Amino acid sequence: EAGVAQSPRYKIIEKRQSVAFWCNPISGHATLYWYQQILGQGPKLLIQFQNNGVVDDSQLPKDRFSAERLKGVDSTLKIQPAKLEDSAVYLCASSSSGGRGEQFFGPGTRLTVL
Amino acid sequence: SQQGEEDPQALSIQEGENATMNCSYKTSINNLQWYRQNSGRGLVHLILIRSNEREKHSGRLRVTLDTSKKSSSLLITASRAADTASYFCATDASGGSYIPTFGRGTSLIVHP
Repeated sequence: EAGVAQSPRYKIIEKRQSVAFWCNPISGHATLYWYQQILGQGPKLLIQFQNNGVVDDSQLPKDRFSAERLKGVDSTLKIQPAKLEDSAVYLCASSSSGGRGEQFFGPGTRLTVL
Repeated sequence: SQQGEEDPQALSIQEGENATMNCSYKTSINNLQWYRQNSGRGLVHLILIRSNEREKHSGRLRVTLDTSKKSSSLLITASRAADTASYFCATDASGGSYIPTFGRGTSLIVHP
């Protein structure tokens, strides 16, 4: 079974630039999550989708972050414009259990904002 | 704010010893999960314990849950160098939303 795919793996940009991350969840998983993990901290949930609907985006900085999950499969997370404090690893995860069970994580995208 | 908080923040032991890490949380939960993160394999699910369960085992892992104290512990027996990683607990507050919240993690180093 293929795991959660993310791209790119690494991205370096300058502040005020834009960046987009892509995630392909495990086939058949209806729930998709985007997390931000700053060095030394645990993952912080940014947004949770159930199919193509948003379950929770209370911690998503909506003035600069946006996410979509068209057709309930792939998802993209965008930052525009980026700030220095956005430097982090962005993790995508998927689950078949609607949040009630195990999450499968992708390898993450390490973003450095200079 | 994060729901679960792990303790200790860091733990250093010798191979063969047992490692115990704890997780405390603030509000009632549906489930509590433990995850491991290392540079090689990313974040990997270890075990899930439901709010009506008190103890679960998986191989060398033993998880307990005390809902009256709002705490959980993860015991790794006979540790190996390959167990070196960060360990996180994740909780989802009860009430139907099942929104997961991770703690800051315990960094475990197992010396060969």
